[in-house]
This record gives sequence, structure tokens and C-alpha cells, in this order.
Amino acid sequence: EAQVTQNPRYLITVTGKKLTVTCSQNMNHEYMSWYRQDPGLGLRQIYYSMNVEVTDKGDVPEGYKVSRKEKRNFPLILESPSPNQTSLYFCASSRYRTGDKNIQYFGAGTRLSVL
Amino acid sequence: LAKTTQPISMDSYEGQEVNITCSHNNIATNDYITWYQQFPSQGPRFIIQGYKTKVTNEVASLFIPADRKSSTLSLPRVSLSDTAVYYCLVGGSWGKLQFGAGTQVVVTP
Repeated sequence: EAQVTQNPRYLITVTGKKLTVTCSQNMNHEYMSWYRQDPGLGLRQIYYSMNVEVTDKGDVPEGYKVSRKEKRNFPLILESPSPNQTSLYFCASSRYRTGDKNIQYFGAGTRLSVL
Repeated sequence: LAKTTQPISMDSYEGQEVNITCSHNNIATNDYITWYQQFPSQGPRFIIQGYKTKVTNEVASLFIPADRKSSTLSLPRVSLSDTAVYYCLVGGSWGKLQFGAGTQVVVTP
């Protein structure tokens, strides 16, 4: 089954404790992306990757890091989480071609609380 | 990137047609228009995509005028299960993707 898998689904942590949210896709997609979703603000892109070893900033990259060492994986790293990073996070993937890139497959989401 | 503007919310009754319009005045030549549906605590799900004129699938229709500065998602004969947030996404020319704030559609009996 084609899917995007995020882990963990729920996470409660404390300020400053480094954490990683994993994302994996099994569709051989080139394009992967991380979004955060906050009430009233819709989906905001954090980082995206157009292929292995190619990453770039989205609209809200501050406080986050990503890496793309393998095509299927795109982890999101919070080196020193702060309470304002409490949010619902989504990973997504798609093919990287004009038009196809807009057709994103989303994971189930990770709800993060930073105390 | 083309900035998109959608209504914040829309209400409808079961069986009616719902039309949601998204404005994207600075859409680029190579940009596509894509719509998503999202239920609470789930990831968004692709509904339909178009470039110009009209596109129809088993779920919805998408109308795009000739100037492409707006688009309208049409949901025919909605049911209670169509209550969700609907997002318009315009882009594709470049790496970054920018979703709109979404439209909350509430369907009542």
C-alpha cells in the first residue's frame, strides 16, 4: 500500500530536549516536505526536499533542521524545542514534476507538545 | 509564489451543491491549481487538480476561467461526511509550495 509514515504520532517533551520526527515513504517520490498546522493558520511549509541531498527552506524554517540522505526518508529535527513549536506536523511526498509536485501524499500527522 | 485567498467558512444543507472559490491573482504560467480535503486529526487528501477550463472526477469539479486568476471547487449534492476543511494550492513551478488558510465547510441535515 502506498503510504507516508510518520513517527511518533504523539510526543510530549520539554524545552531544549532535542527530538527527531521520522518520515518515510514507499512510493519512490523525489519531493518530500514538512508542514506545521496551527489553528487559523492553515498548513505552513517548514522545509522541502527535491531529491536526495537537496533541501531548502519553506516559509517557517526557524528552529528546525532536516536531512535527506536516502530517497525514502526525510526526518525533521528540533535541536532545541521551544513551546512555540507546539503544533501538528505533517510530512508529505510527491513526484517532482510540474503538476505532479502539487499532488502530495500526506502522513497521518505528529502532534507535538513542548512544555 | 501565488498567494491564495479563500473564504474562511461556508455552511450548506445536505443535498445541495457547494462552490468554494479561491483567488490567486499572481498565478504563474506553469502553476497548477490543486484542491485538498482535510478531516480533523488527519492529513489532507488530494481531491482534484487542473490547469485551465474544467476538470471533473467522481468527487468534484474544478472550474478555471481563462485568465486563471481564480478557481472554483464544486462539490455536488453534499452529505454530512463532506464536512471538512478544503484547501486550495497553487504552484508547481518552483520547489516551495504554499497552501491557503483553508475553508471550513459545515454540512447540516
